[in-house]
Amino acid sequence: DSGVTQTPKHLITATGQRVTLRCSPRSGDLSVYWYQQSLDQGLQFLIQYYNGEERAKGNILERFSAQQFPDLHSELNLSSLELGDSALYFCASSVASQGETQYFGPGTRLLVL
Amino acid sequence: LAKTTQPISMDSYEGQEVNITCSHNNIATNDYITWYQQFPSQGPRFIIQGYKTKVTNEVASLFIPADRKSSTLSLPRVSLSDTAVYYCLVARGMNRDDKIIFGKGTRLHILP
Repeated sequence: DSGVTQTPKHLITATGQRVTLRCSPRSGDLSVYWYQQSLDQGLQFLIQYYNGEERAKGNILERFSAQQFPDLHSELNLSSLELGDSALYFCASSVASQGETQYFGPGTRLLVL
Repeated sequence: LAKTTQPISMDSYEGQEVNITCSHNNIATNDYITWYQQFPSQGPRFIIQGYKTKVTNEVASLFIPADRKSSTLSLPRVSLSDTAVYYCLVARGMNRDDKIIFGKGTRLHILP
């Protein structure tokens, strides 16, 4: 158990819909990272937040957005969903902003029908 | 961030030592090297991290030559449960807008 929690574990929705994925980092960690992993693909970095502020942005679509709240939990919002958005979405956390050792959550499996 | 290159897949047998090499030719002075292990449908798990020479922990060793343009993850006496994907990540103290590039990793298959 990494100490990072993600909800929900599974999500099934339809094209065009909007969903919100939630992540709680390890106690004391200030950075949260979001990744997308499609079937048999590597991890695609989406975005990083550090202490409430956006720190780095990867290949995140404009339909996707995220934020980190004062209690340091984070939410990833996916809108106008397409079939190709079906994937595992992982959240990770680290102590600081330096891209050092990241602790990953169990992931949310999103299926868009 | 330095781009990394790893073999796509490797096979080995139980009880053998497995070495997975990662190339990172344009590694920067303040970059460090981290390896992660991922089982199907699970989040990656930290294995080991190093900057130069050799680092050893209870599960693996990491060998980094003097030029730091590559690194080798060594797994001693592997078992079936070591079948997983292994990612090499090279990252420095991140500046704003630095991207994290995990790559596709090495799919290790341990045979009985």
